[in-house]
Amino acid sequence: ETGVTQTPRHLVMGMTNKKSLKCEQHLGHNAMYWYKQSAKKPLELMFVYSLEERVENNSVPSRFSPECPNSSHLFLHLHTLQPEDSALYLCASSRTGGYGYTFGSGTRLTVV
Amino acid sequence: RKEVEQDPGPFNVPEGATVAFNCTYSNSASQSFFWYRQDCRKEPKLLMSVYSSGNEDGRFTAQLNRASQYISLLIRDSKLSDSATYLCVVNPPNDYKLSFGAGTTVTVRA
Repeated sequence: ETGVTQTPRHLVMGMTNKKSLKCEQHLGHNAMYWYKQSAKKPLELMFVYSLEERVENNSVPSRFSPECPNSSHLFLHLHTLQPEDSALYLCASSRTGGYGYTFGSGTRLTVV
Repeated sequence: RKEVEQDPGPFNVPEGATVAFNCTYSNSASQSFFWYRQDCRKEPKLLMSVYSSGNEDGRFTAQLNRASQYISLLIRDSKLSDSATYLCVVNPPNDYKLSFGAGTTVTVRA
């Protein structure tokens, strides 16, 4: 049972929809991350939050909007996405200081 | 130069065989090293950390070579269930974010 829970597991949305991905961790970690993984491609870091503060935004389009209300929760708000945004979106958490990540099961997003 | 580079494979091996592959990293001051395993359409999961002295976990052996800046993973007595993509992960200095390689695909056949 993973300590990082992501919902929903699957999402199909139209290009005009607004949806949100949710991530929750109860591991006592103080950093949380959003990654995108497209088919046959490596993980792409999107956003990093440390101690609830966004510390990195890797040139992600504004149609992706993260939110971290507390150290246990992370959201990714989606609006007016494009078909090329279809991918597996992974949330991860860690302690700061070079420790490994724990990943959630991911949300498989399809934009139609 | 990429921070972490891996041979993408695929490595196709019969059951019971030994398979080994490396990963190189660019920052010589990197501190922590990991191997993650990712099954098809699933999230990556930590397989093992890699220590300076090398370490073993059952059929899996990881080695770190700081002089040549690479880490390796060796799988002995391969099982069908070892088929996966293995991600090399490095923690650069002064940064808690991890750098991921693109992965090495291993397919074990009966």
